[in-house]
Amino acid sequence: AQSVTQLGSHVSVSEGALVLLRCNYSSSVPPYLFWYVQYPNQGLQLLLKYTSAATLVKGINGFEAEFKKSETSFHLTKPSAHMSDAAEYFCAVSGGNTGGFKTIFGAGTRLFVKA
Amino acid sequence: NAGVTQTPKFRVLKTGQSMTLLCAQDMNHEYMYWYRQDPGMGLRLIHYSVGEGTTAKGEVPDGYNVSRLKKQNFLLGLESAAPSQTSVYFCASSYGRTEQFFGPGTRLTVL
Repeated sequence: AQSVTQLGSHVSVSEGALVLLRCNYSSSVPPYLFWYVQYPNQGLQLLLKYTSAATLVKGINGFEAEFKKSETSFHLTKPSAHMSDAAEYFCAVSGGNTGGFKTIFGAGTRLFVKA
Repeated sequence: NAGVTQTPKFRVLKTGQSMTLLCAQDMNHEYMYWYRQDPGMGLRLIHYSVGEGTTAKGEVPDGYNVSRLKKQNFLLGLESAAPSQTSVYFCASSYGRTEQFFGPGTRLTVL
């Protein structure tokens, strides 16, 4: 079965510092990959997605992620953190080995941004 | 477009009571999903639907039932609520393997 692992349930950075949120997936067939963001008391919204086109994917709010097949990773980065980036981030995968449409979500990483 | 809407936003039930959560989408999506979100566990799929009149079990279906009588609506029912069903419930919809669009959630407490 496919799985998604997010390393670190909590990440804390200073405002202006690099944001790096890690995600690894298990699939021998490249899947579709997603990063979602959830602000307090809201639903999830899409940050970016990889669907077998360019391996470096740019999303909203200055975030980007790179698909690395050899490492089965899809880490999320942002060069300079802003206070408004504080939220929970979920990596997700669909397709891949199962070829199905159901999406598997990671456990989430809560990002804290210090002033 | 309203996107995905959920009713109600909050609800408190006593053990054994029943209730129905309503999800509606106006994007003409074929696929709809119900998830529950619990701290440290991400989102877990309860039930899903690949089209009007179809439903299927997800990862944690026990204690829940669903119906999709109209393409735009997906109902989640709890026949006899239990404290273990205290959670935040999210509905989502999609065209398929593409990204899912989420509603704002329903916060349910079962006493």
